Amino acid sequence: QKEVEQNSGPLSVPEGAIASLNCTYSDRVSQSFFWYRQYSGKSPELIMSIYSNGDKEDGRFTAQLNKASQYVSLLIRDSQPSDSATYLCAVNTGNQFYFGTGTSLTVIP
Amino acid sequence: GAVVSQHPSRVICKSGTSVKIECRSLDFQATTMFWYRQFPKQSLMLMATSNEGSKATYEQGVEKDKFLINHASLTLSTLTVTSAHPEDSSFYICSGWGGREQFFGPGTRLTVL
Repeated sequence: QKEVEQNSGPLSVPEGAIASLNCTYSDRVSQSFFWYRQYSGKSPELIMSIYSNGDKEDGRFTAQLNKASQYVSLLIRDSQPSDSATYLCAVNTGNQFYFGTGTSLTVIP
Repeated sequence: GAVVSQHPSRVICKSGTSVKIECRSLDFQATTMFWYRQFPKQSLMLMATSNEGSKATYEQGVEKDKFLINHASLTLSTLTVTSAHPEDSSFYICSGWGGREQFFGPGTRLTVL
């Protein structure tokens, strides 16, 4: 079983819709959780970090963490074509980082 | 977020030569730096983890004598690809971790002819 699992997609949503990206992790001692966005040909960019159960909102982005279910998600409201990218989920267990393989998102104008 | 720089951004070299890539954390001290490699349309692959002042820890299958990593200070790590071959052509990305979040450099695209 992989440490971090994501649906590879591709996920397509129309412009203006909500995009929902999901991630599960296997290590219960995981402490911190991150979402990165990676455009084609570029390096990953940190867009959200979350450390405690519940929701964390930053502009159009909302990260949701449920440690009991070992689940973290990212919601993108009012999706824009510029949001089209691969989204990477990452988990820090304290001394190790684990990345998912990423979900490809396409926002259709 | 914090800034990590990489130099060079792009390099083309002949087979058999060595290439050095620098990674610097500009506004924070990176106790740990990571080196990744990414082939087209594939996911990030962790190559090695380095802590300042100590030897790097390499992932399984990564040749430590071919990919030399030096982490001389809390703001600088270097990756040297020795005797590069065409199969080493890839996108190399470093990242720095200061204790909470990991920030990536812009990457170095290596092409070996």
